[in-house]
Amino acid sequence: SQQGEEDPQALSIQEGENATMNCSYKTSINNLQWYRQNSGRGLVHLILIRSNEREKHSGRLRVTLDTSKKSSSLLITASRAADTASYFCATVPDSNYQLIWGAGTKLIIKP
Amino acid sequence: DAGITQSPRHKVTETGTPVTLRCHQTENHRYMYWYRQDPGHGLRLIHYSYGVKDTDKGEVSDGYSVSRSKTEDFLLTLESATSSQTSVYFCAISELPGQGTGYTFGSGTRLTVV
Repeated sequence: SQQGEEDPQALSIQEGENATMNCSYKTSINNLQWYRQNSGRGLVHLILIRSNEREKHSGRLRVTLDTSKKSSSLLITASRAADTASYFCATVPDSNYQLIWGAGTKLIIKP
Repeated sequence: DAGITQSPRHKVTETGTPVTLRCHQTENHRYMYWYRQDPGHGLRLIHYSYGVKDTDKGEVSDGYSVSRSKTEDFLLTLESATSSQTSVYFCAISELPGQGTGYTFGSGTRLTVV
C-alpha cells in the first residue's frame, strides 16, 4: 500500500529555476524521507525529517513538514541539469518502522 | 553503489523456472530489504530481514522466498517465475529501520520473465 502521494507526477522546468514537489500521507508518522532516483539506477537517500521538525536544509535542498496537514514539500533551488531524476517520499509510520513509498515525481530540468 | 551490490544486473528467464537474485553488503547492517519497482506502483516491499535467519514478509511476498545465512548476503528466490514478476528488483540495507541516515540501495536487477 502506498501512503505517500507525490504531487505533481511530473515537472519540467528551466535550469536555474526552483523546483517544488509535494508529498501527502495518511497516518501518523515517525519521520519522512526523500530519495532521488536517476534513470536506471538505485535510489539515493537525500534527507530525513522527523515528526517534531518543521524544516530542514541540505545544500540546495529544503524540506518542510506539516504534520497537521500530513504533508511535506521538497524544494530544490537553482536547479541544474543533473537534478533531472525521479524523487520519492517515504514515510515511516508510528506503528512500525517500515518505509511506505509514494509513486514519485519525475523532474526534468531543461538546459 | 558503495557497500551494496546486486547480481545479476539483468536476467531473462522462462516462465516456470526458479530464479535467485543476490544482494551482498559490506556495511554490516542488520536490516536488509527486497523491493520491486513497477511503473505506477513506486516501490513495494517483498521481504525483509532483521538478522541472520530472521526474515519477514512484506506486502507482495506471494511467489517469493528469501534466505539470509550470513549478515552480508540476502537472497531472493522466485520459486516458479511468472510474467507478472517481470520487474526491477532492488535490495536495500539500513542500520535502524526508518531512522538516521535512511536506506542504502543497490543498483537493481532487471528481470524479464518470458
